[in-house]
Amino acid sequence: GENVEQHPSTLSVQEGDSAVIKCTYSDSASNYFPWYKQELGKGPQLIIDIRSNVGEKKDQRIAVTLNKTAKHFSLHITETQPEDSAVYFCAASYAGNQFYFGTGTSLTVIP
Amino acid sequence: GAVVSQHPSWVICKSGTSVKIECRSLDFQATTMFWYRQFPKQSLMLMATSNEGSKATYEQGVEKDKFLINHASLTLSTLTVTSAHPEDSSFYICSARDYRGARGQETQYFGPGTRLLVL
Repeated sequence: GENVEQHPSTLSVQEGDSAVIKCTYSDSASNYFPWYKQELGKGPQLIIDIRSNVGEKKDQRIAVTLNKTAKHFSLHITETQPEDSAVYFCAASYAGNQFYFGTGTSLTVIP
Repeated sequence: GAVVSQHPSWVICKSGTSVKIECRSLDFQATTMFWYRQFPKQSLMLMATSNEGSKATYEQGVEKDKFLINHASLTLSTLTVTSAHPEDSSFYICSARDYRGARGQETQYFGPGTRLLVL
């Protein structure tokens, strides 16, 4: 089955700096890669996703890049704000079927 | 995005009782829903896949008689924790698969989670 690894497990950045979280996957059949933000005591919220037919997608301060050859994808958050502090999970799946999650990254944005 | 609700948001029960958690897709029909369990500071662990009108598919190590899943309609799936024990205390999250996009554009939206505490 699919195996998703996520790094780093914790990340602290100064407000206004950029944050990058990286994930690798093992199954070349995976073609859908969402990113979720989870605040304490809440369910994961989809913040951005990318499909295997594109290499990059951007939504305001958030971007995701995908390297199919190397089987890795990354989340980029620019101009970080304190409200970006949360746990971020990457996932990989085939066509939105079973999601294989990374282990999560706890992001802290220091004011 | 789509909205998925869960009820209750938290529940405290005595050991040996059963607890039912509801998951609803509010603005779309979901033929497939998923149930996850999450321990503190850990990732989401898939428990089972719930398909409308058919039996749920459980992940290895998840007791189907312990965690009963029913997906009776296109907008509702329920998870019943039977004879709950303290080790069942956890954060339970459902997600619903959204097919409304173009073929191959499916995604999942998560509910807000249900925190279960078994005393």
